[in-house]
Amino acid sequence: DTEVTQTPKHLVMGMTNKKSLKCEQHMGHRAMYWYKQKAKKPPELMFVYSYEKLSINESVPSRFSPECPNSSLLNLHLHALQPEDSALYLCASSQSPTSGTSTDTQYFGPGTRLTVL
Amino acid sequence: AQTVTQSQPEMSVQEAETVTLSCTYDTSESDYYLFWYKQPPSRQMILVIRQEAYKQQNATENRFSVNFQKAAKSFSLKISDSQLGDAAMYFCAYRSTSGGSNYKLTFGKGTLLTVNP
Repeated sequence: DTEVTQTPKHLVMGMTNKKSLKCEQHMGHRAMYWYKQKAKKPPELMFVYSYEKLSINESVPSRFSPECPNSSLLNLHLHALQPEDSALYLCASSQSPTSGTSTDTQYFGPGTRLTVL
Repeated sequence: AQTVTQSQPEMSVQEAETVTLSCTYDTSESDYYLFWYKQPPSRQMILVIRQEAYKQQNATENRFSVNFQKAAKSFSLKISDSQLGDAAMYFCAYRSTSGGSNYKLTFGKGTLLTVNP
């Protein structure tokens, strides 16, 4: 099973709202990722968690706040977003590169389509 | 830093025919991984095939195969017996095996494949 789930599928929010995106995997993976993807562009890495600790923050504005409550869950808290933040937000997971596994392939969820008005 | 180049923004193929998508990359590393991901209009990124750089044998996965030329830094994807369901954006991606970079996927800009009935 290589399933990563994300909720909600679609989200519309105003610039003053606070909302959260949720990602879940049950593959025993210890690395989880958030990507932002604009239309017809490749995904851009935002955050990486490894063993529930933030490993990489790609200089993402503080209006995006990630959280990893446990090894299966990853949240992205959104506050005071701008219209240019409208995009597809993808979650991915993989066995941690430090686990000694060979390929450490990232498996993606279906994404949340976010629209900021 | 590594770069991945997909020189074909769009390609089209007739159903049941064969098509090859190009990907080149630039790296100074000797060990790394390469991936092809498919993203249909449903938007989920799906792993198509992966290749370990230390393996000389080209990876195959059913109708999908790669031509990995390490010296030329080329990693093309061949789709045989194309089906309507193969229509999607295809992304080539590189992953390092060293240091903090081994979490990151470097994507090409993508090739949009159309399959004509």
